[in-house]
Amino acid sequence: EVQLLESGGALVQPGGSLRLSCAASGFTFSNYAMSWVRQAPGKGLEWVSAITNSAGRAYYAASVKGRFTISRDNSKNTLYLQMDSLRAEDTAVYYCAKDHDGEHGNGYHCDYWGQGTLVTVSS
Amino acid sequence: DIQMTQSPSSLSASVGDRVTITCRASQSIGSYLNWYQQKPGKAPKVLIYDASSLQSGVPSRFSGSGSGTYFTLTISSLQPEDFATYYCQESYTDKFGQGTRLETK
Repeated sequence: EVQLLESGGALVQPGGSLRLSCAASGFTFSNYAMSWVRQAPGKGLEWVSAITNSAGRAYYAASVKGRFTISRDNSKNTLYLQMDSLRAEDTAVYYCAKDHDGEHGNGYHCDYWGQGTLVTVSS
Repeated sequence: DIQMTQSPSSLSASVGDRVTITCRASQSIGSYLNWYQQKPGKAPKVLIYDASSLQSGVPSRFSGSGSGTYFTLTISSLQPEDFATYYCQESYTDKFGQGTRLETK
């Protein structure tokens, strides 16, 4: 059974940093691209970032580019999102999601999702 | 930037109804369109990918169609468990639509 378990969400002050983790199990982690998608309270879904299976390529939404860094450790079956220079508008539930293939190319979709971790940016 | 616009934003319907949700892209995206369902407090779940392919395990009452800039998600006979919010997403530049909330009439 595929499982994705996010952790690391917390209350952080504006300008601060946070690292989210997503522990994966039930599939061969190193074969698949992974994504982060967020949802602000009461709002819709926003794709944040993705990384290919070998970590050769990373992709970012314009709203987080230069502030967030996605990475993965295939030996630990874990996905990360390093979030720096956090802003109030980054407040959201952050979901980790498995892509259906390894490349995050055109035509990808996310076939499994974690339950999310809440990040609150406030003073 | 590609913009995705769903309509309606909300919809009231009854069990057994046929329901259609529309998603328009601001430029052609071929068939690179996914549909997700999200229930309150839960993670999204993929229903349809590549505009019309049914994800394994998803009931056949769900169907998708379209290409280019115009796409639809149809539920042929609404069931109680289908009341949720639905999102389209183009998998060309990852943008989601704003969502359609399907409520019981």
